[in-house]
Amino acid sequence: NAGVTQTPKFRVLKTGQSMTLLCAQDMNHEYMYWYRQDPGMGLRLIHYSVGEGTTAKGEVPDGYNVSRLKKQNFLLGLESAAPSQTSVYFCATLIWTSGGSSYNEQFFGPGTRLTVL
Amino acid sequence: AQSVTQLGSHVSVSEGALVLLRCNYSSSVPPYLFWYVQYPNQGLQLLLKYTSAATLVKGINGFEAEFKKSETSFHLTKPSAHMSDAAEYFCAVSVTGRRALTFGSGTRLQVQP
Repeated sequence: NAGVTQTPKFRVLKTGQSMTLLCAQDMNHEYMYWYRQDPGMGLRLIHYSVGEGTTAKGEVPDGYNVSRLKKQNFLLGLESAAPSQTSVYFCATLIWTSGGSSYNEQFFGPGTRLTVL
Repeated sequence: AQSVTQLGSHVSVSEGALVLLRCNYSSSVPPYLFWYVQYPNQGLQLLLKYTSAATLVKGINGFEAEFKKSETSFHLTKPSAHMSDAAEYFCAVSVTGRRALTFGSGTRLQVQP
């Protein structure tokens, strides 16, 4: 049971290049999220998905696209990377049960450190 | 809209001293509140959460937090700091609808020997 995994762990891009970050989960959770973490700003929500085939914008969606073709995978794409996208990216999943101790708990992946030169 | 404010971006305590990390929230509806810890170069780990059951919530590693509605606060405490507590701590509130988290800016805890 791997939980939430992210690929790759590190990446360096040049301005204008594209790439895709992969988040995979084996917990059968419906909700998945992409956050970015920047110093002094906490984590900010980029995009999220409430189920297979659905996506929605978060607080800072500009410059990113996402897809959720399979329930277990959530992809984050950068079409034309910019230095402002240098950040640590975290994927998270959510188990949502009404009542009980598991209510609204998010599980985070280990993160991807991206540098755009 | 929900928001979270963490007072103090850096807190330094001596080993064995009380740890107090402050978190205030704003929410138009009853919130769900969380504290996460992040050790260097790692992901986020849930310390504890408030989901409207008990106002005093106990978490892992000896941490606890008290939900005070009148003060809109959810401060994190630990009676006696340990060197291994050095990390960054994030307070977060859940957002209805998309069920995502809104995070505070974080507090880095330093523990002095």
